[in-house]
Amino acid sequence: DAKTTQPPSMDCAEGRAANLPCNHSTISGNEYVYWYRQIHSQGPQYIIHGLKNNETNEMASLIITEDRKSSTLILPHATLRDTAVYYCIVRPRGGGNKLTFGTGTQLKVEL
Amino acid sequence: DAMVIQNPRYQVTQFGKPVTLSCSQTLNHNVMYWYQQKSSQAPKLLFHYYDKDFNNEADTPDNFQSRRPNTSFCFLDIRSPGLGDAAMYLCATSRAVGSGADNTQYFGPGTRLTVL
Repeated sequence: DAKTTQPPSMDCAEGRAANLPCNHSTISGNEYVYWYRQIHSQGPQYIIHGLKNNETNEMASLIITEDRKSSTLILPHATLRDTAVYYCIVRPRGGGNKLTFGTGTQLKVEL
Repeated sequence: DAMVIQNPRYQVTQFGKPVTLSCSQTLNHNVMYWYQQKSSQAPKLLFHYYDKDFNNEADTPDNFQSRRPNTSFCFLDIRSPGLGDAAMYLCATSRAVGSGADNTQYFGPGTRLTVL
């Protein structure tokens, strides 16, 4: 499985964009990048995923570099409710079922 | 709303006393998963069902078993809980397996297990 590296923590002011980086330099050509978040004492919540192209949905945007070795999750207008641990996950080659969670980034949104 | 439901949200059991956690889903998904999340750690997959086919992770202890009587329900049985089994247990579902839009996993709120 491709390994991901994320900063352990980040702070963001409410109303500002939160940019969460993820390094996945060993990603294979057919592996997707998924982002989940986990608010304290709740189950993980799916945010977005992508393969090569940038993606956007109602929650966030995902920017994947051209070489696919890194990506950035963007929360355009962070709120206090976005405080959570954000996990960047690469799905195994050939499909597979497992979500291998790394240590994630603890995002703290403050007033 | 379609969702993944876990009951109870909090469960207390005694050392060595069997316990069952339940999960139900209204998404009509083919796959149901059980993850274990210990304090300050990331979730770790224990096993999953693809329809009626059971798939165990290699490092899942024999103490953990699962049943899926129908599409909607899946149970996690811990035969003889030890103190080290105290954790949040998360149920997830997906339409199928593998990378792709249909294989996104959706999680329930979790059951926090305490072992006394």
